[in-house]
Amino acid sequence: AQSVAQPEDQVNVAEGNPLTVKCTYSVSGNPYLFWYVQYPNRGLQFLLKYITGDNLVKGSYGFEAEFNKSQTSFHLKKPSALVSDSALYFCAVRDDAGNMLTFGGGTRLMVKP
Amino acid sequence: NAGVTQTPKFRVLKTGQSMTLLCAQDMNHEYMYWYRQDPGMGLRLIHYSVGEGTTAKGEVPDGYNVSRLKKQNFLLGLESAAPSQTSVYFCASGSSGPWSGLFFGEGSRLTVL
Repeated sequence: AQSVAQPEDQVNVAEGNPLTVKCTYSVSGNPYLFWYVQYPNRGLQFLLKYITGDNLVKGSYGFEAEFNKSQTSFHLKKPSALVSDSALYFCAVRDDAGNMLTFGGGTRLMVKP
Repeated sequence: NAGVTQTPKFRVLKTGQSMTLLCAQDMNHEYMYWYRQDPGMGLRLIHYSVGEGTTAKGEVPDGYNVSRLKKQNFLLGLESAAPSQTSVYFCASGSSGPWSGLFFGEGSRLTVL
C-alpha cells in the first residue's frame, strides 16, 4: 500500500525567507508525486508534480520541489516566502497503476510579515 | 468554465437521515473520486470510479454508497447518517494515467447532529 508522511503539522517562516515543507513517501513501483495547496474554505489546487526526469521540479507561484529517490522524499521549497503563501499544503503520491491518489496529512504554512 | 461542481455546499442532518451529494465535471474526465477531509487526517479516499458504470472502494468506504450512471456525474450517498460522518467532502476528477493530477471541487460541509 502506498503512503505519504508530512512530519510537520505547521511551518512558520518570516516573509522573504526561504521555506521548506517536508514530504516522504512509500510506494511500490515508480512514484508519481504531487503537491497541492488549499486556501481557507476552498478546494485543493495543483502546484506541481514529479513524473520522471529532473529531480528539481518547478511549479506555480514560484514553488519548486526536490525529488530524492534514495531518501524517498519530495520536499516543497520556495526561495522567498510571501504572506500570501500562507495556506495548507498537501503532498500526494500515485503508483504505476494510477487509480488512487494518496495524500499526506497536510502542513499548515504560516508566513509572518 | 465550471470544472468540478459540488452540490450542496452545506448541509445539516440528524442522525439516521439520508442524503446524496452530487458531483458534476465538465472536463470529460474518466476518473472521479470522493474524499473526506478531517482535521489532522488529511484527505481520505471514500470511493472512486474509473469510468461510467464502475465504482470501487477507497480507504474509508463504510457507511457510504456511490453511483456513476453518467460520465460527468458521481453521486455520494449516506443511507443513515452518523455523527462520525461530520466532515468536509471533496469531489475530484482526472484523466487516466498515473501522471495526471486531479481537479477538485470547492467542498461540501456536512454536519450530522
